[in-house]
Amino acid sequence: AQKVTQAQTEISVVEKEDVTLDCVYETRDTTYYLFWYKQPPSGELVFLIRRNSFDEQNEISGRYSWNFQKSTSSFNFTITASQVVDSAVYFCALSESNNNDMRFGAGTRLTVKP
Amino acid sequence: DVKVTQSSRYLVKRTGEKVFLECVQDMDHENMFWYRQDPGLGLRLIYFSYDVKMKEKGDIPEGYSVSREKKERFSLILESASTNQTSMYLCASSGGGLNTEAFFGQGTRLTVV
Repeated sequence: AQKVTQAQTEISVVEKEDVTLDCVYETRDTTYYLFWYKQPPSGELVFLIRRNSFDEQNEISGRYSWNFQKSTSSFNFTITASQVVDSAVYFCALSESNNNDMRFGAGTRLTVKP
Repeated sequence: DVKVTQSSRYLVKRTGEKVFLECVQDMDHENMFWYRQDPGLGLRLIYFSYDVKMKEKGDIPEGYSVSREKKERFSLILESASTNQTSMYLCASSGGGLNTEAFFGQGTRLTVV
């Protein structure tokens, strides 16, 4: 069965610090997709990024970057120069080729203090 | 824009009541999901559906059932609500295949008293 682990329950940083959110996944499939979602205080989950298992190229989008390493089954998310508006709960998720579902990790609550 | 709408933002129900949580999506998505979100546990999959009248159990289906009579609507049913079903319920939908992200509704906070 697929599994997603986000070991960091809560992280608190001061504005402008860099922060990395860890995600480790477990799957027997060779074809799968990984996702990151943000849940701001308003509650609605917002999609951030999708990565397929055949594409290990790292991605950068503004202050956000993602590091996918199949060798360690990790898909980590880094926020550079964090801002107060980055405060949210961040979820990592996994979809496998054998089924249409999507499994989430427990989430990491990030608090960015001014 | 994709829209996933859950019928209620907040609900308070009594123990033993039958509860219906409704979810509608407007993007003709094949897949629809119901999750519950509890502190420290993240989002746990209750049921999902990949087509009309098709359903699959997720990780915690006990005490729940679902209905998908039309493609755009996916209902979660609590046959006999219990206090341990007090939670935030999230509905989501996604297009066919793996390579599409899920879009979420705003959530329903259900309290069973």
